[in-house]
Amino acid sequence: AQSVTQLGSHVSVSEGALVLLRCNYSSSVPPYLFWYVQYPNQGLQLLLKYTSAATLVKGINGFEAEFKKSETSFHLTKPSAHMSDAAEYFCAVRRFTGGGNKLTFGTGTQLKVEL
Amino acid sequence: DTGVSQNPRHKITKRGQNVTFRCDPISEHNRLYWYRQTLGQGPEFLTYFQNEAQLEKSRLLSDRFSAERPKGSFSTLEIQRTEQGDSAMYLCASSPDTVSYEQYFGPGTRLTVT
Repeated sequence: AQSVTQLGSHVSVSEGALVLLRCNYSSSVPPYLFWYVQYPNQGLQLLLKYTSAATLVKGINGFEAEFKKSETSFHLTKPSAHMSDAAEYFCAVRRFTGGGNKLTFGTGTQLKVEL
Repeated sequence: DTGVSQNPRHKITKRGQNVTFRCDPISEHNRLYWYRQTLGQGPEFLTYFQNEAQLEKSRLLSDRFSAERPKGSFSTLEIQRTEQGDSAMYLCASSPDTVSYEQYFGPGTRLTVT
């Protein structure tokens, strides 16, 4: 079975500081991993994805994530936080069953950006 | 290029009433998914369609829940005899066959059962 664990339900950073959101996965097969962002009262927007190609994945809005098999991690980073980054972030892993791709999400990390 | 749309965006209903939500996927996306998201949690998979065929249903989808995608385009999710525990955000996503793991989400329908 595939699952993800997000460490830290709330993360607070200063504007301009490094953003680091942690995600660890568990998977019996090579995983496909995703980061999504959710703004208040909105759906989820795909930030980036790992599909077994390059281990360092670049996404939208300056975010990137590195797949580390030895650590079973897929942490999300951004060098310099902006106020507009304040949102909830979800890590997800693909489950391929029944001929379709389902996503299993973590519990989310709320990012707060302070002046 | 329009994204996934969902209607209504908000629904308040009394316990015991039936509700129906609609999802319009991105055109030409053959795959459509429903997820439920409760407060403080990530979305949880409910069901999946490929074209008009419902290929998988989660154990979360009790007998009171039914989903359809009659012509392989839009989908509806109906909840009968709503309970307070049904209060959640219901999210729809779609994906193309070519990159079927890449799912695009709609804005969701927030259901409040009083």
